[in-house]
Amino acid sequence: SQTIHQWPATLVQPVGSPLSLECTVEGTSNPNLYWYRQAAGRGLQLLFYSVGIGQISSEVPQNLSASRPQDRQFILSSKKLLLSDSGFYLCAWSVQKTEAFFGQGTRLTVV
Amino acid sequence: GQQVMQIPQYQHVQEGEDFTTYCNSSTTLSNIQWYKQRPGGHPVFLIQLVKSGEVKKQKRLTFQFGEAKKNSSLHITATQTTDVGTYFCAENQGGKLIFGQGTELSVKP
Repeated sequence: SQTIHQWPATLVQPVGSPLSLECTVEGTSNPNLYWYRQAAGRGLQLLFYSVGIGQISSEVPQNLSASRPQDRQFILSSKKLLLSDSGFYLCAWSVQKTEAFFGQGTRLTVV
Repeated sequence: GQQVMQIPQYQHVQEGEDFTTYCNSSTTLSNIQWYKQRPGGHPVFLIQLVKSGEVKKQKRLTFQFGEAKKNSSLHITATQTTDVGTYFCAENQGGKLIFGQGTELSVKP
């Protein structure tokens, strides 16, 4: 069966520090991969999506970047975190236009 | 880009009352998906609708897709405290998955 792993679950980072969040998927090939950010009590903002290795589409200009070095690995990064980068980060995968499966999320607090 | 507008943003109901959330798009949707996110959790897929006028039911939940495929609704009959959470609609464009803003449902026992 398919599973998605996202870590860490919580993270506290100082302003100006780098960030790397990793997401891996098991049990499927060539999935569509997504990174979302959710501010407290708010909706799901699509940050990046990828339809294949090395193919990254950015939805919102920001302080973040994404990479897909392997078929089932999606990484969200920042060189220097801002206070406004705090939020709940969710990784998800889907196949074509079918349902999406989400990871457990990473709650990031920038201090 | 194309957006899916969802209303209301919040809904507070007494247990046993009904609840409905609506999604609207200015352009034709290829499909509509519905998700539920419990407080502190991650979104979980509920259902997908693809056909014009489609209606699907899951126990007390009824999902509809408009005839013009520009709107959708989720209706919960006789809410229970277990229904608490945020309900999102979304369109999966085969690479890009766009969510509505969500409707947060609270249920008073």
